[in-house]
Amino acid sequence: EAGVTQSPTHLIKTRGQQATLRCSPISGHTSVYWYQQALGLGLQFLLWYDEGEERNRGNFPPRFSGRQFPNYSSELNVNALELEDSALYLCASSFSRPIDEAFFGQGTRLTVV
Amino acid sequence: AQSVSQHNHHVILSEAASLELGCNYSYGGTVNLFWYVQYPGQHLQLLLKYFSGDPLVKGIKGFEAEFIKSKFSFNLRKPSVQWSDTAEYFCAVNGENAGNNRKLIWGLGTSLAVNP
Repeated sequence: EAGVTQSPTHLIKTRGQQATLRCSPISGHTSVYWYQQALGLGLQFLLWYDEGEERNRGNFPPRFSGRQFPNYSSELNVNALELEDSALYLCASSFSRPIDEAFFGQGTRLTVV
Repeated sequence: AQSVSQHNHHVILSEAASLELGCNYSYGGTVNLFWYVQYPGQHLQLLLKYFSGDPLVKGIKGFEAEFIKSKFSFNLRKPSVQWSDTAEYFCAVNGENAGNNRKLIWGLGTSLAVNP
């Protein structure tokens, strides 16, 4: 069974540009989570999508946004990139039950120069 | 606000030594607790989890963790570590409206290096 897949694995952008990161969940999972893992800051919760809707959002500015498609895959968009946005962005998926474990992808390494 | 603190950022052990990684959280209500591991070059994977019941939880690869509600702790233990346990270990908590918000709060992680 395929795990959570993320693309691209690496992304280099210049300040002010937009970045789009993609995530395909495990088959059957309807919830997708996005996390930012920045150096020295640990894992920070970004967004949670379930059944196509945004269910919860972390403490990030509005230029971090995303969506979930009917096939439950998801996109994370980061507008007006800043140098501090350089980080590993992790996607995770789970079944849509109240309590469950999440399975993580390998991440997208975003570098803003 | 909820927070999770992992006391040890870097731990170096010799093979066969015992391991205990501390994790404390701040939230007074019902919690779900997790330990995740990230081996070098691999993705995060679940080691063990506590939702309810027996506070001593056994996970994969000989790891266990004990939930002590009075201490707001969920420490990870292994009696005898191996070189292959070299990894980054993360404690995570789902507290506020546990089960409904699914927003895991993470510790900063502990980097474990096991010398052969």
